[in-house]
Amino acid sequence: DAMVIQNPRYQVTQFGKPVTLSCSQTLNHNVMYWYQQKSSQAPKLLFHYYDKDFNNEADTPDNFQSRRPNTSFCFLDIRSPGLGDAAMYLCATSRQREVSDTQYFGPGTRLTVL
Amino acid sequence: AQSVAQPEDQVNVAEGNPLTVKCTYSVSGNPYLFWYVQYPNRGLQFLLKYITGDNLVKGSYGFEAEFNKSQTSFHLKKPSALVSDSALYFCAVRDIQTGANNLFFGTGTRLTVIP
Repeated sequence: DAMVIQNPRYQVTQFGKPVTLSCSQTLNHNVMYWYQQKSSQAPKLLFHYYDKDFNNEADTPDNFQSRRPNTSFCFLDIRSPGLGDAAMYLCATSRQREVSDTQYFGPGTRLTVL
Repeated sequence: AQSVAQPEDQVNVAEGNPLTVKCTYSVSGNPYLFWYVQYPNRGLQFLLKYITGDNLVKGSYGFEAEFNKSQTSFHLKKPSALVSDSALYFCAVRDIQTGANNLFFGTGTRLTVIP
């Protein structure tokens, strides 16, 4: 089945220790998104890739970076995690960047910062 | 700017009864509306969307939603609730004027179906 996969599902890191979250997709979609969802809140878009073109949201902290080495994979790097970065991180994909396109989400990675 | 309001944080309904989860929106152009469901410690699952055409949209798991332009609403409905429908439901909107990049989500409504 075509799907969006996130690894790991649960990640524990220490304050200030860099961490990388992984997303892969078998849908062959052109667009990949990273969202941050804090407890009991709506998901918030951090950035997205349209093919190789990186698009950062204006209010995304510099501490968050992303890489997309190929169509299938996208990584979220948190350079120096703070306690406030503890959240669920959701990866999503869409076929194109049309307003009508559906975004399909992975299961998420729950990040804990100690 | 777009915005979405889900006025109820929590909705409780008895199993077998009809359910409604409310959503209202504000956009500057024509809205593109989506409903997602989130089970505990899981990602969001797409239920249905309104793009254009028939105001009544049918989606996954027996859910449907009615687009009402005059009331700027897109309420999610199901004729007969199941215990397994208990989850967190998010309404989301885009409009063509501000681009396709971002889905603006409401704050979510937690649905509990009581056996």
